[in-house]
Amino acid sequence: AQKVTQAQTEISVVEKEDVTLDCVYETRDTTYYLFWYKQPPSGELVFLIRRNSFDEQNEISGRYSWNFQKSTSSFNFTITASQVVDSAVYFCALSEGQTGANNLFFGTGTRLTVIP
Amino acid sequence: KAGVTQTPRYLIKTRGQQVTLSCSPISGHRSVSWYQQTPGQGLQFLFEYFSETQRNKGNFPGRFSGRQFSNSRSEMNVSTLELGDSALYLCASSQGQGESYEQYFGPGTRLTVT
Repeated sequence: AQKVTQAQTEISVVEKEDVTLDCVYETRDTTYYLFWYKQPPSGELVFLIRRNSFDEQNEISGRYSWNFQKSTSSFNFTITASQVVDSAVYFCALSEGQTGANNLFFGTGTRLTVIP
Repeated sequence: KAGVTQTPRYLIKTRGQQVTLSCSPISGHRSVSWYQQTPGQGLQFLFEYFSETQRNKGNFPGRFSGRQFSNSRSEMNVSTLELGDSALYLCASSQGQGESYEQYFGPGTRLTVT
């Protein structure tokens, strides 16, 4: 059975601080995909990153970076020098299999508040 | 490219009624997935359609159904509405073939059942 755990329900940081959002997953599949989505107050889910299970390279995109570690089944997301616009709920998600199946299992989300 | 569009954006229905929600995917995308988001249960997968066929289904009762048309547009129907069906219904589209590609979400339809 698949499971995604985001243990941090809410995080508050002061602007310009760095913040890491944790994501731990469970799956029996050897082929799977991990995602991060952002849901700002407007409600629309915004895609941030997709990573497949065979690619453990960390990725950096501007102020965002992701650390994928299969050994600990974690896919953590770090925002460097946070800004007020980063305030949102962030979801980690898992998709299993290699058949193109598009059913995402979401974590419960982490609400990030960046205080000016 | 235009994003995923969903209509209507807001809907108020009475218990026992039925409702149909519509989703137009990004041009070229053949997969459409539906999700329900509630404060209690979070984001849950309903079903996915690819090339007019239901390819995956989540754990929802048969009152929830969907279909996809030849132009990839999709509709979701909920019959005999219950108070617990009040939720944000999100539609997502993706390329759909081969690997599990990223899904792009629409703004959602907020359904309130009274």
